Amino acid sequence: ELKVEQNPLFLSMQEGKNYTIYCNYSTTSDRLYWYRQDPGKSLESLFVLLSNGAVKQEGRLMASLDTKARLSTLHITAAVHDLSATYFCAVDMGGGADGLTFGKGTHLIIQP
Amino acid sequence: GAGVSQTPSNKVTEKGKYVELRCDPISGHTALYWYRQSLGQGPEFLIYFQGTGAADDSGLPNDRFFAVRPEGSVSTLKIQRTERGDSAVYLCASSLGRGGYEQYFGPGTRLTVT
Repeated sequence: ELKVEQNPLFLSMQEGKNYTIYCNYSTTSDRLYWYRQDPGKSLESLFVLLSNGAVKQEGRLMASLDTKARLSTLHITAAVHDLSATYFCAVDMGGGADGLTFGKGTHLIIQP
Repeated sequence: GAGVSQTPSNKVTEKGKYVELRCDPISGHTALYWYRQSLGQGPEFLIYFQGTGAADDSGLPNDRFFAVRPEGSVSTLKIQRTERGDSAVYLCASSLGRGGYEQYFGPGTRLTVT
């Protein structure tokens, strides 16, 4: 059974600081996704990582994928309050199954 | 363009009743997914359609849950004999195809079983 673990699950940080969210998964996969969810809202796609070594950046967020280590990171640079949200990583189940297995999410609060 | 839409946005029903939740995917998206999200958790996969057929229904929790997509576009998730444990937000997503395509999520239907 594919397991996806995120840490930390809760993070409170100050504006201007840098931090990294980690996503580990238990079986071989080369497709990993990051989503953002605001309270009471649906999921917004942030990044799709499709190969080992993939790195994508959008504004203050950068995601990377190491398929050998089964690890993805979401790095936040010089955080701003607007980035407060819950961030999920998800892994393609693979093997003919196409649903995503999600982590529990990282609840991020950025304080002024 | 229009995103994924879901109706109703909220549904309150009594234990034991039958409910239908509707999903209208992005036009042209052949793949459609249903997920369920409980409070404080990540979405949990239920079922995946490619076209009209359910390609993977391994996430459906039991036979009270059923989904259809008769014309390869709109999908309906059906829950029989609802239980309080079915209360959750039901999310629908669609994508251009299988394997590595971005999934676009709808706003969800919040189901409350009393």
